[in-house]
Amino acid sequence: EPEVTQTPSHQVTQMGQEVILRCVPISNHLYFYWYRQILGQKVEFLVSFYNNEISEKSEIFDDQFSVERPDGSNFTLKIRSTKLEDSAMYFCASRVVRGLDEQYFGPGTRLTVT
Amino acid sequence: SQQGEEDPQALSIQEGENATMNCSYKTSINNLQWYRQNSGRGLVHLILIRSNEREKHSGRLRVTLDTSKKSSSLLITASRAADTASYFCATDARNAGNMLTFGGGTRLMVKP
Repeated sequence: EPEVTQTPSHQVTQMGQEVILRCVPISNHLYFYWYRQILGQKVEFLVSFYNNEISEKSEIFDDQFSVERPDGSNFTLKIRSTKLEDSAMYFCASRVVRGLDEQYFGPGTRLTVT
Repeated sequence: SQQGEEDPQALSIQEGENATMNCSYKTSINNLQWYRQNSGRGLVHLILIRSNEREKHSGRLRVTLDTSKKSSSLLITASRAADTASYFCATDARNAGNMLTFGGGTRLMVKP
């Protein structure tokens, strides 16, 4: 069964460093998402991406964040200058069609900022 | 309460019993999805119910949706120790972009 994959599974970085989290969505999916979950809290939407551009973003997704689909398979989330409060589990998700179908999530990348 | 709130927050039952978790939301939705998360792990999609559906089954799972009350329930029948996890509802709201809004989850513990 096709699945969303994410790398790395765990990333430790120092405050102020740039990190890139990588995702490979399911191949025939058209909508891509990043969510995050701070330990013990709700899963929060960050950004959605369709047709090579951001379609929605939350207040969390400020200028420190960017997303890219550099080729036909990868979908990346970059945090330019990490802060302690960026420590969280970051989930990538994808879906075929907006509004009708399931969003499938990857296993997540645990980001620890020290 | 916020969009997609589950209750109870925690539930502890014996293996073989049924577990019922509830979710309430505030706005009109396209669909509502239930996910499971084992501690510190990824989100596993369980079931999607569309706004024009009232009940859906998948194996030991039964989901209901009452759009007039803006609520949904997830029933796990004949629970197993392996069902121990957190369960989240997530709403795909109309006129609110195409993101999912998650509730705080119900932590289910099934004792062997």
